[in-house]
Amino acid sequence: DIQMTQSPSSLSASVGDRVTITCRASQSIKHYLNWYQQKPGRAPKLLIHAATNLPTGVPSRFSGSGSGTDFTLTFTSLQPEDFGTYYCQQSYNDPYTFGPGTKLEIK
Amino acid sequence: QVQLVESGGGVVQPGRSLRLSCAASGFMFSSYAMHWVRQAPGKGLEWVAFTSYDGFTEYYANSVKGRVSISRDNSRNTLYLQMNSLRSEDTAVYYCVKGQPGGPFDNWGQGTLVTVSS
Repeated sequence: DIQMTQSPSSLSASVGDRVTITCRASQSIKHYLNWYQQKPGRAPKLLIHAATNLPTGVPSRFSGSGSGTDFTLTFTSLQPEDFGTYYCQQSYNDPYTFGPGTKLEIK
Repeated sequence: QVQLVESGGGVVQPGRSLRLSCAASGFMFSSYAMHWVRQAPGKGLEWVAFTSYDGFTEYYANSVKGRVSISRDNSRNTLYLQMNSLRSEDTAVYYCVKGQPGGPFDNWGQGTLVTVSS
């Protein structure tokens, strides 16, 4: 099975900050990496797919990069509504594993 | 607008069975693969099961293999998860998720809570 790791596990940042979360796969997953945002008590929401692509409606302050085993999610200018937990997930093969999550707090 | 509405959760004793349902609307259900994903209280996301658009291909997480069965009724636009021999570690919110093979999980239901407790 492909193992996914994320760092940091939590972080606190200020509005306007540039923030980066990293995700690593235990083997190459090419570009089959997705990011999800989850707010407390809510279902996850797709944020980025295929490592770099934003679904319609996702603000352009979010960006994704990487391929193979190393990926990043970047917030170019953090906004108050960006609090929550962020998960990476590989869709390269089953089991479709998720990372453990990064909890983002706004200072 | 895609809608996925889960039902069937509740409190169940260890060793018993439960069947979850997910009513889909707003898209051509019979053309899309579907998944179940769960989240234990205060924990992260765990993929549980996959079914192809036609129901002929299924995949399961090791943690549920042999105890869980995913199925679908394309005539009723409904996805199911039959869970047997339930354990306390199966306690979680179960999400119905739309997602093609190799693609992202692009639409999620609101989830249904399953609590396994005596």
